[in-house]
Amino acid sequence: KQEVTQIPAALSVPEGENLVLNCSFTDSAIYNLQWFRQDPGKGLTSLLLIQSSQREQTSGRLNASLDKSSGRSTLYIAASQPGDSATYLCASTGYSTLTFGKGTMLLVSP
Amino acid sequence: DGGITQSPKYLFRKEGQNVTLSCEQNLNHDAMYWYRQDPGQGLRLIYYSQIVNDFQKGDIAEGYSVSREKKESFPLTVTSAQKNPTAFYLCASSGDSPYEQYFGPGTRLTVT
Repeated sequence: KQEVTQIPAALSVPEGENLVLNCSFTDSAIYNLQWFRQDPGKGLTSLLLIQSSQREQTSGRLNASLDKSSGRSTLYIAASQPGDSATYLCASTGYSTLTFGKGTMLLVSP
Repeated sequence: DGGITQSPKYLFRKEGQNVTLSCEQNLNHDAMYWYRQDPGQGLRLIYYSQIVNDFQKGDIAEGYSVSREKKESFPLTVTSAQKNPTAFYLCASSGDSPYEQYFGPGTRLTVT
């Protein structure tokens, strides 16, 4: 059974720092890898999706990479802003369903 | 506007009562999903449906039931058999490849 782990569980940085969030998964037979953002009490917003044949995806200040052979994905956030404060979740897609990590809670202070 | 709606946003029930959570999508997606989220936990899959009139149990289906009579709708019933129903419930849908999932705003259920 797929297991997804996210490290660190929480991260606090000053505004302007570049940061990396890590996601690892145990079964490399994934269809894609999705990164989500969740604000307190809200639903999930899809940030980036990397298909299994791709190595990375970029959207604005966000860059996500995927290394299936090592079972790892990273989300890179450049020039962090207070508005980036949220919980970030990664999820791997298997045959038909997603398996989620527990998330990294990010706090960016002004 | 295309998207997924869940209603109500907050729901309160007495223990022993069944309650139904609504999920509607106008994205023309075939697949729909229900997840449960508890504090400090990742999302756990309750039920999913890949096509109308068909659905499968997820990891924590006990105490829940669903129906999929229309493509747009996937209601979730939390029955009195669910031991710890208080949680945040999220509905999602996905279309064809690459099967990107889109989420609704969630319903917070409190059972006392």
